[in-house]
Amino acid sequence: SAVISQKPSRDICQRGTSLTIQCQVDSQVTMMFWYRQQPGQSLTLIATANQGSEATYESGFVIDKFPISRPNLTFSTLTVSNMSPEDSSIYLCSVEGRTGGYEQYFGPGTRLTVT
Amino acid sequence: QQQVKQSPQSLIVQKGGISIINCAYENTAFDYFPWYQQFPGKGPALLIAIRPDVSEKKEGRFTISFNKSAKQFSLHIMDSQPGDSATYFCAASITGNTGKLIFGQGTTLQVKP
Repeated sequence: SAVISQKPSRDICQRGTSLTIQCQVDSQVTMMFWYRQQPGQSLTLIATANQGSEATYESGFVIDKFPISRPNLTFSTLTVSNMSPEDSSIYLCSVEGRTGGYEQYFGPGTRLTVT
Repeated sequence: QQQVKQSPQSLIVQKGGISIINCAYENTAFDYFPWYQQFPGKGPALLIAIRPDVSEKKEGRFTISFNKSAKQFSLHIMDSQPGDSATYFCAASITGNTGKLIFGQGTTLQVKP
């Protein structure tokens, strides 16, 4: 499986500010995904980020709130903008398997608390 | 149609027992069904996965049973150990599409020594 790192691992932010989360993979991958996991809940896909194209957002998530960059095949960022306490969650990136197959592997997550 | 329903929400099993977690889906286009294990403070780890062309897949103490006609699949953990205590998520996706995973609600498993 791919080795995925995320920065920061956790952060406490004030309402109204923005945080950019980085996701780094140890190999080139075409598809990267960003998920949100609210406290004690399951995972929900925010958007799919493919290199060289605009991210595709799921229903309920918009680019102005969660802008995503994908500058190359090993890196992506997710920004959580104009944060409110409701944005307190774990944010996870995932990537497809090395073989380009259908399995997905997740990073360790970024635990965000908004006060 | 995009939902995956998982049960039970929580499960307590004695060491050495069998843990069984069930999932059901509606969308017959789903063709990939993974299970993830998540420990507190960690990202989900892919445990085992199955495609609908087989009815069962076993990897060590973990087995997926798949019933295509009933649109259900389950995870069996044999000889459950305290180290298996974690939250388990089933998921489903349509391969060749966006790769989007639809997750179940999760099951918190506690294995008592």
